[in-house]
Amino acid sequence: RKEVEQDPGPFNVPEGATVAFNCTYSNSASQSFFWYRQDCRKEPKLLMSVYSSGNEDGRFTAQLNRASQYISLLIRDSKLSDSATYLCVAGEYGNKLVFGAGTILRVKS
Amino acid sequence: GAVVSQHPSWVICKSGTSVKIECRSLDFQATTMFWYRQFPKQSLMLMATSNEGSKATYEQGVEKDKFLINHASLTLSTLTVTSAHPEDSSFYICSARDPLRELGDYGYTFGSGTRLTVV
Repeated sequence: RKEVEQDPGPFNVPEGATVAFNCTYSNSASQSFFWYRQDCRKEPKLLMSVYSSGNEDGRFTAQLNRASQYISLLIRDSKLSDSATYLCVAGEYGNKLVFGAGTILRVKS
Repeated sequence: GAVVSQHPSWVICKSGTSVKIECRSLDFQATTMFWYRQFPKQSLMLMATSNEGSKATYEQGVEKDKFLINHASLTLSTLTVTSAHPEDSSFYICSARDPLRELGDYGYTFGSGTRLTVV
């Protein structure tokens, strides 16, 4: 079983749509959680951290459910520029990051 | 802030040769840096944790004699792929975190990655 699991997609959505990604993690001791965005052949870039209380940054909302070991990312009003691979990441003891394989999003006009 | 520079961006080398990849933290001191490898359509896999002034910690299954890591200063870590073979062709990325910034808020910063092709 993978430590961090994501639906690989791709999610093909029209501009303006709302799309949600889900992720589960297996290590209950994971301490921190993130969503990173990775464009083709580029390095990952931090999109946002994820907290149990939920956090919102513009069109993006992330949520963590520790009891279910479940993380979500909601993107509202999708833009063409949102097309990328979204990586769910769990931070473990010793500052180790464990990455999911990513969910591909394609926003089309 | 928290910029990580990685060099080279891409390299093509012949089988059997060695390749060195550099990772620098430009505006902060990184006592710890991380080296990842990513094969096409797969997730980033942690190879090793590079510790300034001491030996690197390798993940299970990663050959320490093949992937040499040196972290000689607080701003520089190098990964040397020795006797490279075509199966070592991959995207290698380093990352680091500014210890003065909260992990939960800022995560880790990644270098731009090195695409290695061994022919």
